[in-house]
Amino acid sequence: AQSVTQPDIHITVSEGASLELRCNYSYGATPYLFWYVQSPGQGLQLLLKYFSGDTLVQGIKGFEAEFKRSQSSFNLRKPSVHWSDAAEYFCAVGPNQAGTALIFGKGTTLSVSS
Amino acid sequence: EPEVTQTPSHQVTQMGQEVILRCVPISNHLYFYWYRQILGQKVEFLVSFYNNEISEKSEIFDDQFSVERPDGSNFTLKIRSTKLEDSAMYFCASSDGLGLNEQFFGPGTRLTVL
Repeated sequence: AQSVTQPDIHITVSEGASLELRCNYSYGATPYLFWYVQSPGQGLQLLLKYFSGDTLVQGIKGFEAEFKRSQSSFNLRKPSVHWSDAAEYFCAVGPNQAGTALIFGKGTTLSVSS
Repeated sequence: EPEVTQTPSHQVTQMGQEVILRCVPISNHLYFYWYRQILGQKVEFLVSFYNNEISEKSEIFDDQFSVERPDGSNFTLKIRSTKLEDSAMYFCASSDGLGLNEQFFGPGTRLTVL
């Protein structure tokens, strides 16, 4: 079955510390992977995406993610977290074809402490 | 920057009533989607729409649901007779259809069924 697992429901990180949010997927075909962020009252904003090529992808707001096929993972990282990064983060997978469904994980809530 | 908009932001209705959730996708996009997120659960795909037809739908999207593009800008989701379990955040999304599945999401409509 196709699925996305985000093992961490809630993470708290100190401002300035590094961050890694985990994402594992189960997908039969070549996956097209996404990370979205949702701030309170906002929609889902695309942080970055991966389909092929360099397995380390850069996104907006200083985020990056690394695709590891052998581990079926697509973890999100940021070297130094800012208080404004506090939000909910969703990993998603889907085919590289318009009009098709994305499969989302349950999300990880990030809190940033000062 | 163009964005997907949704109205209303919050809708409260009585069980058994019909509701229509409205979305204005990004203007040059060709594919439109509805997803929902029940509180504490995953974002789930409902339906995708292209060229005035449903492209794909999930098991959730039963006869109670319908979608329509009534004019050149709006995309609506109708729930004919709401149930308590329809209470959720409903997200609209759109994509440009240039062979990629990058979906841009709106801020969501929170539907509460009493």
